[in-house]
Order: sequence, then structure tokens, then C-alpha cells
Amino acid sequence: LAKTTQPISMDSYEGQEVNITCSHNNIATNDYITWYQQFPSQGPRFIIQGYKTKVTNEVASLFIPADRKSSTLSLPRVSLSDTAVYYCLVGGLLMNRDDKIIFGKGTRLHILP
Amino acid sequence: DAMVIQNPRYQVTQFGKPVTLSCSQTLNHNVMYWYQQKSSQAPKLLFHYYDKDFNNEADTPDNFQSRRPNTSFCFLDIRSPGLGDAAMYLCATSRGRDGEYEQYFGPGTRLTVT
Repeated sequence: LAKTTQPISMDSYEGQEVNITCSHNNIATNDYITWYQQFPSQGPRFIIQGYKTKVTNEVASLFIPADRKSSTLSLPRVSLSDTAVYYCLVGGLLMNRDDKIIFGKGTRLHILP
Repeated sequence: DAMVIQNPRYQVTQFGKPVTLSCSQTLNHNVMYWYQQKSSQAPKLLFHYYDKDFNNEADTPDNFQSRRPNTSFCFLDIRSPGLGDAAMYLCATSRGRDGEYEQYFGPGTRLTVT
């Protein structure tokens, strides 16, 4: 059961790069790391997912060190519209009864003009 | 566009009066999930269906039930809502249960219990 720990909140300014780190010390071999973004009164939205090393898509990058005990979501050149809660999710196969989907507390990112 | 649809977006019910929330998907995904999210908290998984196989989380109260009559639809039934059940209820889908499959969330139904 991989528990995640993230900073409760972060502030940044428009145009800056924002890095949010998630700790998951007891990540299992078959666990993937997924990040979601949630705006108020909306459902979470998938941002990026990775298993190891680095993943990049059109909105973010995900850095995963070799031991996979943490991961860092990187948002380049943020704007006011990136103000949201960001969740790090670590999970594997739900068929295993010991496996669960547990959202951590999330990081409230506030972008300032 | 393929998507996850939840109806209604806002639901008000009385204490103890059964209520049903609905979710439909056009993604043809095998897995459908129901989450409860209270104010300023993370989503909490209540249960999920893998095809017709129902999987309840151990700490989900018996007051919460679910039905999945076909691939596209899934319902959340709250048999006797209490004030503590007021929350946003999120439906999500994924192609598989493996952690590599991302979840697609609906917009949620905000439930108020009076």
C-alpha cells in the first residue's frame, strides 16, 4: 500500500516553472505514478503518468529517480489558469485485494500575477 | 466527444430519503469507479466495477450501494442519507484496473442533505 506525501500548498508566479514533489517510499514494483489536476467543483483530470525515468507531454514533465521513492511534477511557465489542486497517485493492480487507489491530500497550487 | 457524464450535477435530498446518482460513459471502458469527495479533502474510493464484477472498499458504509446494468451506466444508491453524506460524488472510468490505465472523471454530482 503506497502512501503518498506532498506539500500541502505552494505559491508561484506566472511564467515560472513549478516543481511539485511527491514522496512514495513504499512504492511496489508494479506501481505506476500518476498525477491529476483538479479545479474547484470539477472532477480530477489526468496530467501525466510514468513508471521510471522521465516522461514529458504537452503540459508537464514527470521526473522519477532510479529508486522510484519519489517523483516530481514539473509545470513549465505556469499561468493563472494552473491554479488548482494537484494529486499524486501511486497504484498497481486492483485485482490484488491489498492494492488500493488512495489519493493523497494533494498540493494546492496558487499562481500569482 | 467521448466522455463521462454524471446526472444530476446538483442533488438535494432529505435526511433518510433514498437517493440515486447516475453515471454514463461513452468510452466503452471496462472499469467504473465511484468516489466521495468532501470539502477540501481528497477523493475517497467507495467501490468499483470491473465489467460486472463489483468490488467494495472495506471501509465503505453499507448505506452505499451500486448497480451497473450495462457497460455504459453505473448508479450510486444511498439508502438512508445522513448529514455526513453531503459531498461531491465523482464517477470515473478506466480501460483496465492496472495502475498504468489513467482514470477519466466525470464532473461530479454535489449532494446536499437537508
